[in-house]
Amino acid sequence: DIQMTQSPSSLSASVGDRVTITCRASQTISIYLNWYQQKPGKAPKLLIYAASSLQSGVPSRFSGSGSGTDFSLTISSLQPEDFATYYCQQSYTTPTFGGGTKVEIK
Amino acid sequence: EVQLVESGGGLVQPGGSLRLSCVASGFAFSTYSMNWVRQAPGKGLEWVSYISSSSDSIYYADSVKGRFTISRDNAKNSLYLQMSSLRDEDTAVYYCVRSVATATVFDSWGQGTLVTVSS
Repeated sequence: DIQMTQSPSSLSASVGDRVTITCRASQTISIYLNWYQQKPGKAPKLLIYAASSLQSGVPSRFSGSGSGTDFSLTISSLQPEDFATYYCQQSYTTPTFGGGTKVEIK
Repeated sequence: EVQLVESGGGLVQPGGSLRLSCVASGFAFSTYSMNWVRQAPGKGLEWVSYISSSSDSIYYADSVKGRFTISRDNAKNSLYLQMSSLRDEDTAVYYCVRSVATATVFDSWGQGTLVTVSS
């Protein structure tokens, strides 16, 4: 299976900050990389698919980039509703998720 | 509006069996591939199983292969997961999840149903 490694595992940030989360695949996955947001007690929500395509209804402050093995999710200006845990997931082969990045309020 | 509603979770002893169900509404269920994804308490996400729209392609995670069976009934807009030989490590919230096209991009999720395996 392809291993997905996210960093950092957690971060503290303030409203208005620019936040970047990275995800590395153990082998090349082209652009088959997706990002999800999960709030406590809720199901995950798809934010970005195919590395950089914004899912319908997701605010434009979210963006994704990367290809091959290295990817990133950026929130351009953190909003109160963005405090959550973020997961990357590869859809190149049998799907696997990263360990998650918890974004907390500073 | 897409809705996925899971049911069937509960407390079961190790070695026992349980059947999860998911009823879909708000979209053409028979044209979408579906999945089960689970999340152990306080842990990350783990894909469990995939079934294509016509049930001709089925895949399982190694951790559940031979113990879990995914199926669907398109006439009833329903997805199922038959779980047997349950282990402590199967304890998790199980989500019913829709795939985009034939890819494992998970665009719609149910609210989840909790399965607890304990004696």
